[in-house]
Amino acid sequence: NAGVMQNPRHLVRRRGQEARLRCSPMKGHSHVYWYRQLPEEGLKFMVYLQKENIIDESGMPKERFSAEFPKEGPSILRIQQVVRGDSAAYFCASSPLGAEGETQYFGPGTRLLVL
Amino acid sequence: AQSVTQLDSHVSVSEGTPVLLRCNYSSSYSPSLFWYVQHPNKGLQLLLKYTSAATLVKGINGFEAEFKKSETSFHLTKPSAHMSDAAEYFCVVSDPSNDMRFGAGTRLTVKP
Repeated sequence: NAGVMQNPRHLVRRRGQEARLRCSPMKGHSHVYWYRQLPEEGLKFMVYLQKENIIDESGMPKERFSAEFPKEGPSILRIQQVVRGDSAAYFCASSPLGAEGETQYFGPGTRLLVL
Repeated sequence: AQSVTQLDSHVSVSEGTPVLLRCNYSSSYSPSLFWYVQHPNKGLQLLLKYTSAATLVKGINGFEAEFKKSETSFHLTKPSAHMSDAAEYFCVVSDPSNDMRFGAGTRLTVKP
């Protein structure tokens, strides 16, 4: 059973471009979470999705950021018009049910660098 | 509301000596608690978790943590550090809706 897959592993963008980060959850997992890790900081929750639904987006910046988890295919975290402050590692995690104490399994992360 | 405080941003130990990484939590619920490890340029790996069963939890690579409700703590320990333990460690608290809060992380350095 393959783990959580994220691609690309490294992404370089110039200011103003768009960044698309993909996350394929573990087989059988229908819940996906996105986190951002800024340099010298801990992980910050961004958004929690089930298939075709956004459950909690309280950690998402109000502008330029969006996420989706379609019925088919990976979850996508999209950052429009990137700025240097968006440079960070973005981690995706998945869990089977999203229930109490359910373990989240993390992907290897995508490291975004904005020039 | 819930939160996690990792009391040390950086811990340095010598190889073969004990490791103690401290974590205090705040939660309105009976929390689930986790420790994750992140090696350089790697993703997060689950070390161990507490979910209201035994208060002493054993994890991978010889790590263990003890849930102490009276002290609202969940410190991570290992009797003898190995060079390969050098990494960033995150303490995490989760409420019944699986809303997770991460600590800021503790960087563990192991000296030969």
